[in-house]
Amino acid sequence: EDQVTQSPEALRLQEGESSSLNCSYTVSGLRGLFWYRQDPGKGPEFLFTLYSAGEEKEKERLKATLTKKESFLHITAPKPEDSATYLCAVQLYTGGFKTIFGAGTRLFVKA
Amino acid sequence: NAGVTQTPKFQVLKTGQSMTLQCAQDMNHNSMYWYRQDPGMGLRLIYYSASEGTTDKGEVPNGYNVSRLNKREFSLRLESAAPSQTSVYFCASSGGTSGITDTQYFGPGTRLTVL
Repeated sequence: EDQVTQSPEALRLQEGESSSLNCSYTVSGLRGLFWYRQDPGKGPEFLFTLYSAGEEKEKERLKATLTKKESFLHITAPKPEDSATYLCAVQLYTGGFKTIFGAGTRLFVKA
Repeated sequence: NAGVTQTPKFQVLKTGQSMTLQCAQDMNHNSMYWYRQDPGMGLRLIYYSASEGTTDKGEVPNGYNVSRLNKREFSLRLESAAPSQTSVYFCASSGGTSGITDTQYFGPGTRLTVL
């Protein structure tokens, strides 16, 4: 069964304390992996798309990487405004296109 | 450029009542989607429309119907609401025409409670 698992469920960091969020997947026919940021009471906001193992993308303090089994979202020197839920989603093709979302990691950054 | 807009933002229904959630996008996207988000679970696809005039079932379509009114608008209808449909509903759109193929842009959500 196609599955996407994000860990940890919640992460508490001090401002400036770098860390990583994990998105592991067991799917067939992967076409792409997406990272989104979701603030409380709002819809997900697109961050990155990764298509092949070894690919990396960066935006400000965030860097996303992809292997054949998982993706990491690295947060360098986070600030309180980075506090949000981070969602990953995999897009696959198995006779038709499908997108599966993980449950998310809630990140709290304390000043 | 408003992106994806949804109405209403909040709604409370009694079991058995019906209602329609509205969604519109101004990005000239071909594909539109309806998701529900429940605590501890990922977003789950209810229905999607790959292009104007077509709709397809997603992962959890039971109890819902949709209408792709035109290229801009995609509505979700609950004919007889049940407490299990209490959730946050998100509409999304993307530029692709081959189904769920590319980056999706989300609306702000509708928070629905069914008593």
